[in-house]
Amino acid sequence: EAGVAQSPRYKIIEKRQSVAFWCNPISGHATLYWYQQILGQGPKLLIQFQNNGVVDDSQLPKDRFSAERLKGVDSTLKIQPAKLEDSAVYLCASSFYAASYEQYFGPGTRLTVT
Amino acid sequence: QKEVEQDPGPLSVPEGAIVSLNCTYSNSAFQYFMWYRQYSRKGPELLMYTYSSGNKEDGRFTAQVDKSSKYISLFIRDSQPSDSATYLCAMTPNNDMRFGAGTRLTVKP
Repeated sequence: EAGVAQSPRYKIIEKRQSVAFWCNPISGHATLYWYQQILGQGPKLLIQFQNNGVVDDSQLPKDRFSAERLKGVDSTLKIQPAKLEDSAVYLCASSFYAASYEQYFGPGTRLTVT
Repeated sequence: QKEVEQDPGPLSVPEGAIVSLNCTYSNSAFQYFMWYRQYSRKGPELLMYTYSSGNKEDGRFTAQVDKSSKYISLFIRDSQPSDSATYLCAMTPNNDMRFGAGTRLTVKP
């Protein structure tokens, strides 16, 4: 069974630039999550999708972050414009069920904003 | 006060030692308690989960939950160098998972 795929693995941008991350969940997983993991901290949920609908985006900074999941499969997370404090690892996870403790994580995208 | 507190370590032990990792929490609504392992430059992977209070054993790993004290533990017996990683506790009332900061463990040969 293929795992959660993410790209790119690393990205370096200057502040005020834009960046986008891509995620392909495990086949058949209806629920997709985006997390932000700042160095030395645990992952923080940014947004959760159930199929192509948003379940929870209460912690997504909507003035600069946006996410979409077209056709209920792949997802993209965008930051526009980036700030220094956005430097973090962005993790995508998926699960079969909506309210699931059993989440499968991708390798993450390490973003550095200079 | 953070909802989930976890000592970040780092923790260094010799091979074969028993390791104890712990988290405390403040939200009494938490029902599901998980331990994730995260190797460097990788995403977290689920090690164990426990529903409500009690113990759960899986090979060399034992998870304990004490809801009365709002305290959870992960024990690793006969620790191996391959156990060197960051261990994250996580918990949720039903859907919204909250993670601890992670404890960085090194097992020395």
